[in-house]
Amino acid sequence: QVQLQESGPGLVKPSQTLSLTCTVSGGSISSGGYYWSWIRQHPGKGLEWIGYIHNSGTTYYNPSLKSRVTMSVDASKNQFSLKLSSVTAADTAVYYCARANYEGAMDVWGQGTTVTVSS
Amino acid sequence: SYELTQPLSVSVALGQTATITCGGDNIGGENVHWYQQKPGQAPVLVIFRDSNRPSGIPERFSGSNSGNTATLTISRAQAGDEAGYYCQVWDSTYVLFGGGTKLTVL
Repeated sequence: QVQLQESGPGLVKPSQTLSLTCTVSGGSISSGGYYWSWIRQHPGKGLEWIGYIHNSGTTYYNPSLKSRVTMSVDASKNQFSLKLSSVTAADTAVYYCARANYEGAMDVWGQGTTVTVSS
Repeated sequence: SYELTQPLSVSVALGQTATITCGGDNIGGENVHWYQQKPGQAPVLVIFRDSNRPSGIPERFSGSNSGNTATLTISRAQAGDEAGYYCQVWDSTYVLFGGGTKLTVL
């Protein structure tokens, strides 16, 4: 079955760009018309949707983060990526990648990766 | 802006039925999904499209959605059901999660 795995630096300095990659295994990122999503969770808090990228290349971002977010897909590597610019301590969180179907149900999640923003 | 409102916490006695609500303006017109998240773990989809269970999710988990409230019901609650639960809606351009409910099994 499809599995997702996040990777990237666990520590990012303030004002720099956070870059994470999600590797898809057990299936092709190009098939099925899924929405490849990023979600984060601040320590002790709830889930916050960051955005998604569709197989077609269409992207939608949380309006509160839109000015700082870029998502992309590398089909040759079966990966999708997140870039969040100008990070502050408020961006410290566990970041999850997930697969959403056409109804928005996120049926496959990565294990999550902790990113700390600190100098 | 649209908001989804969940109670911060719900308690249920072992073996009894837990009900977790998710309130939103005319949420009955939306597809609602529910996730279970245990400490230190990623969320798991337990209900999709209001009332459907993914394979592997026990029949004890059920859902409904009408009017301004969607509901997740956990029958015969077990200690292993103790977790955070989140509702979620989607309109193809935006995804919104409820604030989450901590379920305690007594």
